[in-house]
Amino acid sequence: KQEVTQIPAALSVPEGENLVLNCSFTDSAIYNLQWFRQDPGKGLTSLLLIQSSQREQTSGRLNASLDKSSGRSTLYIAASQPGDSATYLCAVTAATFQKLVFGTGTRLLVSP
Amino acid sequence: DAGITQSPRHKVTETGTPVTLRCHQTENHRYMYWYRQDPGHGLRLIHYSYGVKDTDKGEVSDGYSVSRSKTEDFLLTLESATSSQTSVYFCAISDPSGAINEQFFGPGTRLTVL
Repeated sequence: KQEVTQIPAALSVPEGENLVLNCSFTDSAIYNLQWFRQDPGKGLTSLLLIQSSQREQTSGRLNASLDKSSGRSTLYIAASQPGDSATYLCAVTAATFQKLVFGTGTRLLVSP
Repeated sequence: DAGITQSPRHKVTETGTPVTLRCHQTENHRYMYWYRQDPGHGLRLIHYSYGVKDTDKGEVSDGYSVSRSKTEDFLLTLESATSSQTSVYFCAISDPSGAINEQFFGPGTRLTVL
């Protein structure tokens, strides 16, 4: 059974810092990996999707990498801003193609 | 943002009553999903649909049923609500192409069962 773990569970940084969020998964047989952002009381916003054949994806200040063989992905946020404060979730599309398996998220607080 | 709406957005009900949650999309995506989000468990798949009248179970389907009579609507029904079904429910949609199955989420429904 696929399991997804995110470390740390919470992170507090001052504005301007570069930071890395980690995601690990137990079964490397994935189709793709997706990073989401969730603001309190809101839905999920898709940030980046990495296909299993790709190593990384970039969108603005965000860069996500994928190492399928080791079961790891990282989300790099450059020059963090208070508006980046949210919970970040990673999810893998498991062997059963359509189903996303989620981690429990990293809650990020960026202080001015 | 993907055109996904959920109704109601908030609901309080009593144990034993039936409850139906609605997800509506304007994107004409083939796949639709229902998830629940609980502290310590993250998001877990309840049911999904891969076409009109085509549905399948997720990992936490007990106590839930779904129906999809139109491409744009996916209904989640709790036949007899229990306190353990208090949760935030999210609908998602996708239109898989090749190896890509990017899912887009609705705003969620907060359900409280007393």
